[in-house]
Amino acid sequence: DAGVIQSPRHEVTEMGQEVTLRCKPISGHNSLFWYRQTMMRGLELLIYFNNNVPIDDSGMPEDRFSAKMPNASFSTLKIQPSEPRDSAVYFCASSLRRRDTEAFFGQGTRLTVV
Amino acid sequence: GIQVEQSPPDLILQEGANSTLRCNFSDSVNNLQWFHQNPWGQLINLFYIPSGTKQNGRLSATTVATERYSLLYISSSQTTDSGVYFCAVGGAQGAQKLVFGQGTRLTINP
Repeated sequence: DAGVIQSPRHEVTEMGQEVTLRCKPISGHNSLFWYRQTMMRGLELLIYFNNNVPIDDSGMPEDRFSAKMPNASFSTLKIQPSEPRDSAVYFCASSLRRRDTEAFFGQGTRLTVV
Repeated sequence: GIQVEQSPPDLILQEGANSTLRCNFSDSVNNLQWFHQNPWGQLINLFYIPSGTKQNGRLSATTVATERYSLLYISSSQTTDSGVYFCAVGGAQGAQKLVFGQGTRLTINP
């Protein structure tokens, strides 16, 4: 398997623009997670899905952030409008839908908002 | 929620040295993983180890769930071991999400 695939790897955008990050989980995995990594806050969970349904979005910072999972093989994280403080590395991860199972991470998207 | 504390925050060693990284957590866990974040930012799975001991080459890990800690051992360090090592746990009482520690930054000098 190719692992978790994220795109783009790098994104530079201007403040106020819409940004869409994409993720393809490992085939057969039915849980998907979006994490954000910053120097100040480390790695923090934004939202996760089980069987394409959002389960916990308590980590989504504000209404400018939204995430969707229209099918088992694709998810998006959208920021509209983007702000400089959104600059971070965004990781997608997937696992089987169990608490005692290993999660695997994509290579991340480095977002810079100028 | 569950708290995860890693120590030391920074570690600088010469090539060939051994090291021990520690992860303390505040509650029972169903999941504990160790990751290596390499200089390119990739999170590489090292161990899935909610309890017990595992070994993979020069690396080994032990989790003592009853005492709420895990240790990662690196023997005969190489410069390619440099990077940040993260411990992440999934609480037994909570959902599947992983809570990450702040990491240990390991620098191996030649």
